[in-house]
Amino acid sequence: DTEVTQTPKHLVMGMTNKKSLKCEQHMGHRAMYWYKQKAKKPPELMFVYSYEKLSINESVPSRFSPECPNSSLLNLHLHALQPEDSALYLCASSRLGTGELFFGEGSRLTVL
Amino acid sequence: RKEVEQDPGPFNVPEGATVAFNCTYSNSASQSFFWYRQDCRKEPKLLMSVYSSGNEDGRFTAQLNRASQYISLLIRDSKLSDSATYLCVVNGGTSGTYKYIFGTGTRLKVLA
Repeated sequence: DTEVTQTPKHLVMGMTNKKSLKCEQHMGHRAMYWYKQKAKKPPELMFVYSYEKLSINESVPSRFSPECPNSSLLNLHLHALQPEDSALYLCASSRLGTGELFFGEGSRLTVL
Repeated sequence: RKEVEQDPGPFNVPEGATVAFNCTYSNSASQSFFWYRQDCRKEPKLLMSVYSSGNEDGRFTAQLNRASQYISLLIRDSKLSDSATYLCVVNGGTSGTYKYIFGTGTRLKVLA
């Protein structure tokens, strides 16, 4: 069983909807990540939070809005998405910036 | 030049074969190196970390060559269950950068 939990596992939304993806870990990790993965491509880094502060934003469009309410939780708020944003969204955590990344099972998003 | 490069394959090998993958990275300051395995429509899972002295885990051996900036993965006695995409992951710089960079992945198919 993965120690990083993501909800929902599947999400279908229209281009005018607002939805959120949620991620939780209880390993005491202080770095949390959002990755986006399209079919047959590697994961692409979107955001990194370290010690609950946003430390990396890989020039992600503002229709994606991350939030880290506390050291265990990471959210990704979605608004006015485009069909090309359909992908697998992976949350990950690590103890520090150089150790192993632990991934959740991902949230598979379809934008209609 | 991509920061982390892998041969995408696919590598089609018979059961019992030995297969090797290479991965090159461009940032000489990179500090941490990993091989992840990803099954179709699943999240990446750590296969093994890669240490300077090389390391082995059962049928899997990983090597790091800092001078030539590449890492390798050797799989001996391939099993059908080894069929997956193997992702090379490099932590992209000085300590605490939290930037893990994925290679494009190498697809392996082990044939009966």
